[in-house]
Amino acid sequence: GAGVSQTPSNKVTEKGKYVELRCDPISGHTALYWYRQSLGQGPEFLIYFQGTGAADDSGLPNDRFFAVRPEGSVSTLKIQRTERGDSAVYLCASSLTWQAGELFFGEGSRLTVL
Amino acid sequence: AQKITQTQPGMFVQEKEAVTLDCTYDTSDPSYGLFWYKQPSSGEMIFLIYQGSYDQQNATEGRYSLNFQKARKSANLVISASQLGDSAMYFCAMREDSRQKLVFGQGTRLTINP
Repeated sequence: GAGVSQTPSNKVTEKGKYVELRCDPISGHTALYWYRQSLGQGPEFLIYFQGTGAADDSGLPNDRFFAVRPEGSVSTLKIQRTERGDSAVYLCASSLTWQAGELFFGEGSRLTVL
Repeated sequence: AQKITQTQPGMFVQEKEAVTLDCTYDTSDPSYGLFWYKQPSSGEMIFLIYQGSYDQQNATEGRYSLNFQKARKSANLVISASQLGDSAMYFCAMREDSRQKLVFGQGTRLTINP
């Protein structure tokens, strides 16, 4: 399909392990966003890319979290030394430009840290 | 600071009735956009409607309309003739044009009763 694709859809890991979550945005979309959503809560902003650069990473909770988008399309969210509190659904969204009205969301990656 | 408040954790409505979901926001930016998203139990985020801060008329999309009251800083979503399939979480969100990131409220769980 032509939508935002996120992999894996589910990831179970042990405390202390390293995790990578991948987002493949809609082709041609320059703006890409990562959000984290805990059960019953609204999506919490993590980081926003315009092209290859992180235009706003103010939502990353600490230095264990890092994201890249080296070629301006696919993005990877990296979490080091995972903690149980990192368990959540990680949502990726893209839009044609940041000014475009609608963000298109992927189906999310559910991360469970045991 | 950019802030979105949804004060109704849950709403219960009879099928075919109209329903209003409340949203207030706080910003010092003169230029911003307001969004509503629907999230069914399947987890996908579905864009419903957008209102720009300079738009003179309230936005409408089919059964959805946004009651934008700029002076009160409110952007309530009105769903007319509710249907069973409208049962979902609803999120209000705002993007300040100076910051470009989309910030979400805590959501309202809407349940439509037959």
